Amino acid sequence: AQSVAQPEDQVNVAEGNPLTVKCTYSVSGNPYLFWYVQYPNRGLQFLLKYITGDNLVKGSYGFEAEFNKSQTSFHLKKPSALVSDSALYFCAVRVSYSGAGSYQLTFGKGTKLSVIP
Amino acid sequence: GAVVSQHPSRVICKSGTSVKIECRSLDFQATTMFWYRQFPKKSLMLMATSNEGSKATYEQGVEKDKFLINHASLTLSTLTVTSAHPEDSSFYICSAQRSSRAYEQYFGPGTRLTVT
Repeated sequence: AQSVAQPEDQVNVAEGNPLTVKCTYSVSGNPYLFWYVQYPNRGLQFLLKYITGDNLVKGSYGFEAEFNKSQTSFHLKKPSALVSDSALYFCAVRVSYSGAGSYQLTFGKGTKLSVIP
Repeated sequence: GAVVSQHPSRVICKSGTSVKIECRSLDFQATTMFWYRQFPKKSLMLMATSNEGSKATYEQGVEKDKFLINHASLTLSTLTVTSAHPEDSSFYICSAQRSSRAYEQYFGPGTRLTVT
């Protein structure tokens, strides 16, 4: 079964320091991977995706993610954390084909990022 | 671009009543919309996949007679929680997928349902 795992429930980082939110995946075939962010009582916002191509993917708000096939990982990174980055982050993988050119996403359990001033 | 709205943002209803939640893609057409349920401090659970003009596909364990989904147009899908009970209280989130770009989904802001 296609799945992603986020091993950390919470990540704390000081403002200005680099941050990493971890994600590992288990898929058959080529993985299509995504990162989303959720602020309190809000829906999810798309950050970035890996479909093919360069292993380093750049996304919104200065975030990037590195696809590592040998380690089956897709960690989210940012060189310098901001307090406003504090939120819940979800890794997701595309799974079955729903028809009409659409795909379902399976989400990790989420990692709460707290950036400390 | 790629804005998805949900209405209402919050709703409180009495046990036994029905509640309708709307999901609209405001600036693009969405052949497919998805409905998720999120429990506190938990991940999103896919409830159903809604394709315009056809019946929704429900995930295992989701009661299709209780959670009625209608996708009447390329910009609107509705979720109706029928005969709601307190255990239906949750955060419901919809997402929409562009017809022409079948990768990322765009999420609505969510609807907080409280059944008393």
